[in-house]
Amino acid sequence: NAGVTQTPKFRILKIGQSMTLQCAQDMNHNYMYWYRQDPGMGLKLIYYSVGAGITDKGEVPNGYNVSRSTTEDFPLRLELAAPSQTSVYFCASRAGTRGFGQYFGPGTRLTVL
Amino acid sequence: QKEVEQNSGPLSVPEGAIASLNCTYSDRGSQSFFWYRQYSGKSPELIMFIYSNGDKEDGRFTAQLNKASQYVSLLIRDSQPSDSATYLCAVSLVYNFNKFYFGSGTKLNVKP
Repeated sequence: NAGVTQTPKFRILKIGQSMTLQCAQDMNHNYMYWYRQDPGMGLKLIYYSVGAGITDKGEVPNGYNVSRSTTEDFPLRLELAAPSQTSVYFCASRAGTRGFGQYFGPGTRLTVL
Repeated sequence: QKEVEQNSGPLSVPEGAIASLNCTYSDRGSQSFFWYRQYSGKSPELIMFIYSNGDKEDGRFTAQLNKASQYVSLLIRDSQPSDSATYLCAVSLVYNFNKFYFGSGTKLNVKP
């Protein structure tokens, strides 16, 4: 199993550009999450999904959108990139709720200039 | 008030010692507690988790919960230089198991 994969690893955007961060998992996990991690900080939840077709906002959803058309994929869309979105983005998945932790992807380092 | 707070450290311990990391939480509805290890430039990896009903030991790691004082601890016995990393605490709530709230992490340095 590849686990949780994310592409790209690095990206530089100009202010106002848009992009999609890709996330895929091959563990048949229903639960998937997007976090951002600013330097020296913990993880902030952006969006999460409890299954295909179901998504919900986390703590910091503004400026982002998600979709979940399949169990495997959970892309994160950035519209009109701003310098405040410069961060490391982690995707994670989880098999269930009680008794299950999250498996994280390797992350995408995004810089908005 | 933040949901989950951790001392940023760094916490320095000599090799072979016990490292004690603490995490306080504000919501009494916190039900599950998770500890993650994150090496510099890498993604977090799950070490262990406990429920609100008890402590847990797994190899050199022990997680303990103090519900009255609302903190959870991670003890690392026989610390090794390879344990040097940032340790993140996360909690999920009894009324929403889907969400996790992370602390900002404690940096641990284990000196040879």
